[in-house]
Amino acid sequence: QVQLVQSGAEVKKPGASVKVSCKVSGYTLTELSMHWVRQAPGKGLEWMGGFDPEDGETIYAQKFQGRVTMTEDTSTDTAYMELSSLRSEDTAVYYCATGFLAFDIWGQGTMVTVSS
Amino acid sequence: EIVLTQSPGTLSLSPGERATLSCRASQSVSSSYLAWYQQKPGQAPRLLIYGASSRATGIPDRFSGSGSGTDFTLTISRLEPEDFAVYYCQQYGSSPLAFGQGTRLEIK
Repeated sequence: QVQLVQSGAEVKKPGASVKVSCKVSGYTLTELSMHWVRQAPGKGLEWMGGFDPEDGETIYAQKFQGRVTMTEDTSTDTAYMELSSLRSEDTAVYYCATGFLAFDIWGQGTMVTVSS
Repeated sequence: EIVLTQSPGTLSLSPGERATLSCRASQSVSSSYLAWYQQKPGQAPRLLIYGASSRATGIPDRFSGSGSGTDFTLTISRLEPEDFAVYYCQQYGSSPLAFGQGTRLEIK
């Protein structure tokens, strides 16, 4: 059974960067296509990007192009999402998500607060 | 880019009633790669339906999905108290992936 465990809450200043981790257990990272989804307070779900197995590369939502980088460390089965040039609107819960049938498995979420 | 529009924004019903939630896509969704999720406050979303009409593991049979192309529906046949939550549709058949804006199902 796949489980995803994310890193803890972060508080960052505007202009800084944040890197959130997502540790996989039960499967290896190479067997999964990892995605990242965020949710601002009181708002809906927003897909940020993820691995496209058809193209064999990571695809980013246009809104985050140039500011987000998603990487994987297969030696530790850990996925990372780094978001730079943070602004207050980036305050949100960030989820990693994956699965074999849409997004059947989600991490617990990481709260990122951007505040001066 | 496919845009998903859910309706209504809020649905007020009583336990035991039938709920019908709609999700309309701006373009045809590839191979019915349309999913529905339920989210309760403070929790991660939970997959209910994938492939437009297949129930995920452990999902009660009062939840059903239907539709194809650009029009999809999630139906909850008899609402239980634990079903009051926010529901999202998602297309995962083509990049970029996308979620609808959500339907809030509240107790009347």
